[in-house]
Amino acid sequence: QQQVKQSPQSLIVQKGGISIINCAYENTAFDYFPWYQQFPGKGPALLIAIRPDVSEKKEGRFTISFNKSAKQFSLHIMDSQPGDSATYFCAASSGNTGKLIFGQGTTLQVKP
Amino acid sequence: DGGITQSPKYLFRKEGQNVTLSCEQNLNHDAMYWYRQDPGQGLRLIYYSQIVNDFQKGDIAEGYSVSREKKESFPLTVTSAQKNPTAFYLCASSMARGGSETQYFGPGTRLLVL
Repeated sequence: QQQVKQSPQSLIVQKGGISIINCAYENTAFDYFPWYQQFPGKGPALLIAIRPDVSEKKEGRFTISFNKSAKQFSLHIMDSQPGDSATYFCAASSGNTGKLIFGQGTTLQVKP
Repeated sequence: DGGITQSPKYLFRKEGQNVTLSCEQNLNHDAMYWYRQDPGQGLRLIYYSQIVNDFQKGDIAEGYSVSREKKESFPLTVTSAQKNPTAFYLCASSMARGGSETQYFGPGTRLLVL
């Protein structure tokens, strides 16, 4: 029940295309859903986050879509660029613990 | 510059040896965390601390130990009991205790076994 399942494991997209990464969870107590971006050999950095009181959040080319009833959320990267090539992690946490549960990660390659 | 520093960047461990990874933050954050990252896997929580002089086990605490004597520092010791220590270790911190707050990560330490 504590798991966050992320797919796909890897993704190849052409420059200018849309990258979509999906995550699913079981624990309905989760109330915070961040996405992290990680470049090789570096620590993850927060990209965008959402709370379950909204269904969508957009920051620049990055959008989170949240479906509370389906217990799913996804990251959309519009106009994908080669500089977006990285590993992306979804995560979830509940307020009473502060612990983040991470998905397995998606390696994105954007081809020029 | 505010942030989280981890040292060393690379660390080599001999069989039977304990090694300590350093994590320091100057963000005035209450909570600190240690994660282990293996290839193709997500981040797994080793230990976390929400306040000085207190810490809790995460999902994979066996073979590891921590201390939290100062708010700024949360060192991780990989003991000889950890039979498969080769991994990328990440330290993180967040502002609130027990809240769903953003965690900020350090640059990581890669531990290799000789």
